[in-house]
Formats: sequence, C-alpha cells, structure tokens
Amino acid sequence: GIQVEQSPPDLILQEGANSTLRCNFSDSVNNLQWFHQNPWGQLINLFYIPSGTKQNGRLSATTVATERYSLLYISSSQTTDSGVYFCAVGGEDSNYQLIWGAGTKLIIKP
Amino acid sequence: NAGVTQTPKFQVLKTGQSMTLQCAQDMNHNSMYWYRQDPGMGLRLIYYSASEGTTDKGEVPNGYNVSRLNKREFSLRLESAAPSQTSVYFCASGPFAGVNSPLHFGNGTRLTVT
Repeated sequence: GIQVEQSPPDLILQEGANSTLRCNFSDSVNNLQWFHQNPWGQLINLFYIPSGTKQNGRLSATTVATERYSLLYISSSQTTDSGVYFCAVGGEDSNYQLIWGAGTKLIIKP
Repeated sequence: NAGVTQTPKFQVLKTGQSMTLQCAQDMNHNSMYWYRQDPGMGLRLIYYSASEGTTDKGEVPNGYNVSRLNKREFSLRLESAAPSQTSVYFCASGPFAGVNSPLHFGNGTRLTVT
C-alpha cells in the first residue's frame, strides 16, 4: 500500500516565523488533504489538494503529484497555529481509504 | 450550521460493557466515516458509509458495528468493550461518495475502557 512520510516530525518556532511542512508519498494518488489538529483535539480540513497550488490566508499548499510530494506553507506564524498537521492521501486503487501520515507537531512560541 | 456533531464527548466503560457513539451531520453529505486515533498516531478507519443504506469495513473493524440510520446519522457500536478500544473516536463526513471527498470531522469522543 501507499506509504506517507511527513517531515519534520517536530518544529518549534517563534511567533512571526515562516515554516514549510512536507508530505512524501510512495505511489500515485488522486486525493491529498492537509489537516490541522489543534491542542484541544479538533481536526480541521485545511486543503483538499491532489495537485496544484492553493492559498487560504496565511496558509498555502502545493502538491507535485508527478514527484509524489506536497508542501504546506505557513507564513507569519501565530500561537493559534500550534498543533499537529496531518497529510492524508487516497490512492488510485483505494476506494474510501485515506492513508494518514504520522503528522508534524508544530509549537509556536509567543 | 453545526457541521458534524458527536455525542458523548467523554465516556468511561468497564470491560465487557456496550455503548453506542452517535454522529450526525447537517451538511447534506453523502459519505460518513468512523475513525479512531491512538496516542502519537494518525487516524485509522473503522467503518465507512458511502451513502444512506450502505456500510463497509475499513482498516480496523473488529469489535465494532455501525448503522447508517439515515442520510444524517451514522452510529458506532461497541458490543463488548475491551481495553484495546481505549481511544479517541472521530466521525467524519464528505460531500461525495468515494475517496475524493474532502472530509469534515466532529470534535471526537474520548473513550476509556478499564
């Protein structure tokens, strides 16, 4: 099955800094989503991005499907950005099964 | 517009007890899902429902049953709880049937089995 690797596993930054989170996957996908799990455990869908680039405020994401990776950019970090960021992918031969990465834990210090 | 609502938020069970986790969505979504999340791990799919009237097993279905009561509601039942089922359970829904559906999650149910 598809393997999903996220890096870095942990990231500690000062408020105002920019960051790049990476998601590598081992096979062709037709679905890729980025989620933020906040310190209270809520899971928020950030992007549905099987290919291309999207932006939403200070967050943007790029998926290069042919090279099997996706990047999540966070600019001008705020303490509310803290939490765990997950990448989840759906393969071309999976039906409903999303494969989840282990996440990147981001801590933004004031 | 509440999105995806899960009840209860917290539950403690003794080994062998049964319970049902409730999930309802008000977004007119077609597909619904139950996931579990264990410490330090990503989510694992327990069961899913592509549409009203259909349910299928996910990655870790053993020890669970589900019911898609109608388009809005999808419940998860533990018939005889075991300590290995201690976890946080998330319900999700998606507008489309199939894997190409952006998921929207409820706030989770934290279950402890002693």
